[in-house]
Order: sequence, then C-alpha cells, then structure tokens
Amino acid sequence: AQTVTQSQPEMSVQEAETVTLSCTYDTSENNYYLFWYKQPPSRQMILVIRQEAYKQQNATENRFSVNFQKAAKSFSLKISDSQLGDTAMYFCAFMKLQGGKLIFGQGTELSVKP
Amino acid sequence: SAVISQKPSRDICQRGTSLTIQCQVDSQVTMMFWYRQQPGQSLTLIATANQGSEATYESGFVIDKFPISRPNLTFSTLTVSNMSPEDSSIYLCSVERGQGRAFFGQGTRLTVV
Repeated sequence: AQTVTQSQPEMSVQEAETVTLSCTYDTSENNYYLFWYKQPPSRQMILVIRQEAYKQQNATENRFSVNFQKAAKSFSLKISDSQLGDTAMYFCAFMKLQGGKLIFGQGTELSVKP
Repeated sequence: SAVISQKPSRDICQRGTSLTIQCQVDSQVTMMFWYRQQPGQSLTLIATANQGSEATYESGFVIDKFPISRPNLTFSTLTVSNMSPEDSSIYLCSVERGQGRAFFGQGTRLTVV
C-alpha cells in the first residue's frame, strides 16, 4: 500500500521570500505520479504541480518547483517570491500510473505574511 | 482540462436524513472518484464509480452508507445515508483525464445537526 507523509502541519513565510514544503512517500511501484495541490478557504482543489516519476527532471511551474528524489522517496515543493495569495492548505499526493485515484498526505497549512 | 459541476455546494441536514450529491462532467470519463474531507483533515477516497458496474469502495466505507450511482459516462451521484454529525465533511468528486491529470469539483460542504 502507498502512503504519503507531510511532517509540517503549519508553516509561515514572509511575502517575497522562499519556502519549501516537505513530502515523503512510500510505494513499491516504479512508475507513478506525484502532485502538489493547493486548497484555499474556498475548498477548491487546485493543481499546483505534477511530476512523472519516470522523468528525472524536476517539474517547474512559474514560481513553483519541486525537488524530486526518487531513491529517497522525497518530493518537496519550493515556492519562490511568496505572495499573499499563496496562503492555503497544500497537499502532497500520489497516483499509480494506472487507476486515477489519489492518496493524499495530511496537508501543510501555509501562511504568507505581509 | 475538465469542467466538473458539483452540487449542492453546501447543505445543512438533520440527523437521520439522507443527502444526494451530484457530479456532472463536461465530457465522458471512464472512472469518477468520490472523496471525503473531514474537518481539518486530508482527503480520503470513498469509492471509485465506473459506468455500468458497481462502485468499488475503499476500506471503511460501505455501500449502505454511501450508495453511488453512475448512470452514464458524464454523471455520478453520491448519497450520504442516515446521517449523523460525524458525517459533517466536505465531499468532492474527481475525474482523471489520463497521464495523471486529475480534476476536482468545487466540493459539497455538509453539516449535520
């Protein structure tokens, strides 16, 4: 069975600074997908970034990038130039290559302070 | 991308009653997924709904409590039956569009009093 662990329940960062959210996972699969989702108070799940495990190159989306360490089963999210609108709950998630169902970590509540 | 319309967006229900949540997708998908998010918690998969077959439930969830319908490839419903305050949660539907691209409805915030 797959598990996803986020060990930081809460984090805060000053506006314009950089913050890194941690995520580790466990699986016996060799190929899979990893995700970071953002959930603002509106409760809408917003995809921040997606990583394919069979690609060594770390995914990036504008101010968001990941550090994917497959051997260590680590998948951290770096947010650069933090903005007030980045304040939200962030979930790390795992998906098998086939299937479509997501396994989520416990979440990290990020506060960006002015 | 996928446009997923989920309703109701929120509801307050009396204990012992049932609520049916609807999820409509803008195009055909093979599988639809229903998640529960209890207050302050992460998302947990309730079941996978396939068109033309019984839904597949995850451990801890049963069909009598969470019956699911999947009448066609763009629509599904989740019913929360015989509700108690412990059922107060956000319920979300999701679809996967291939290559790990998952999309969510807006969620239904359910409060049971």
